[in-house]
Amino acid sequence: AQSVTQPDIHITVSEGASLELRCNYSYGATPYLFWYVQSPGQGLQLLLKYFSGDTLVQGIKGFEAEFKRSQSSFNLRKPSVHWSDAAEYFCAVGEVYNDMRFGAGTRLTVKP
Amino acid sequence: DSGVTQTPKHLITATGQRVTLRCSPRSGDLSVYWYQQSLDQGLQFLIQYYNGEERAKGNILERFSAQQFPDLHSELNLSSLELGDSALYFCASRGVANTGELFFGEGSRLTVL
Repeated sequence: AQSVTQPDIHITVSEGASLELRCNYSYGATPYLFWYVQSPGQGLQLLLKYFSGDTLVQGIKGFEAEFKRSQSSFNLRKPSVHWSDAAEYFCAVGEVYNDMRFGAGTRLTVKP
Repeated sequence: DSGVTQTPKHLITATGQRVTLRCSPRSGDLSVYWYQQSLDQGLQFLIQYYNGEERAKGNILERFSAQQFPDLHSELNLSSLELGDSALYFCASRGVANTGELFFGEGSRLTVL
């Protein structure tokens, strides 16, 4: 069964600094990978997804992620963080017709 | 607005009681997923339905049950509630085109006292 690990429970960065959130997955075939963001009191919103093709995918709000098969990773990056990026970020892996499994999440705090 | 509607948004009940959470997927979406989010457990997959049929089952307790109706809305029934069932319950739907991503509702926050 697929699984996702997000090693960092909480990350604090200064506004304007770069960001990288780590995600490692376990899956037998080529995975479908996703990053979601959850603001306090709200549901989850899709940031970006990877199915196949170019391993560097662009998402909304200036985020990007890179799929590295050799490392079983799908790390999320942003070159310059804004205070509004403070939220919880979830990595997920899932098959199209079946379930989708989420990591434990990484809480991002942005210092002014 | 994701197009997924969940009711009620908030629910407070007592231990031992039973509650029903309702989810209406996006128009045309056949798959419905239920997740439980609690502070110490993260986002746990409970169950998935596809066009009325159970498709996958995760960490769903025997006290919990779900179903998807012919009009594609889904209900999650939680019975013999315990304090530990207090959590945010999310419903999500997935499109027929299978672009892959889930569209989440805003959740139902259950508090068991």
